[in-house]
Amino acid sequence: GQQLNQSPQSMFIQEGEDVSMNCTSSSIFNTWLWYKQDPGEGPVLLIALYKAGELTSNGRLTAQFGITRKDSFLNISASIPSDVGIYFCAGPRGTSYGKLTFGQGTILTVHP
Amino acid sequence: KAGVTQTPRYLIKTRGQQVTLSCSPISGHRSVSWYQQTPGQGLQFLFEYFSETQRNKGNFPGRFSGRQFSNSRSEMNVSTLELGDSALYLCASSLAQTERETQYFGPGTRLLVL
Repeated sequence: GQQLNQSPQSMFIQEGEDVSMNCTSSSIFNTWLWYKQDPGEGPVLLIALYKAGELTSNGRLTAQFGITRKDSFLNISASIPSDVGIYFCAGPRGTSYGKLTFGQGTILTVHP
Repeated sequence: KAGVTQTPRYLIKTRGQQVTLSCSPISGHRSVSWYQQTPGQGLQFLFEYFSETQRNKGNFPGRFSGRQFSNSRSEMNVSTLELGDSALYLCASSLAQTERETQYFGPGTRLLVL
């Protein structure tokens, strides 16, 4: 079935540094989604990408939908302590957005 | 507007018991999906309900079941609990009026099976 491989698994960075994480798949996805999960909470949608090559920003976050439709990356610039959390890439299986496949997640730790 | 709510937030059960978890979607949302989150397997899709009908199903055994009521509230049930069922169970809702609908997740129910 469709699998999403997310890397790195974890990152330890200093406040102010930029962060980059990516997600790859052996199958084509028509939509890429990036979520963040804080401790004790459910995932929250950060960015949605709908078109190959699309580059979208949300504040200090930038994400791109790969040209091959099999990958996506997320960048966080000038990290701050509240960026701590788990970041997930996800994509809908088929056309249903109610059925998402998730990557394994990237655990981000930001040292002040 | 209130977000997705899940009850209970924490639950402890023993092997062999059954459990029912509840999810109240955002008002007006018609689609409710359930996911299981574990450290080993990550976030895995369980099933999706839309207008009281199961629309999609993941690869989980028949011990996992769900339903949706006319007010869009949903419940999931796990029978004959196993230790491996210990997980965070997340519910997500969406308007489901178009394909590009954002799913909003609840805080989850943390289930511990002893």
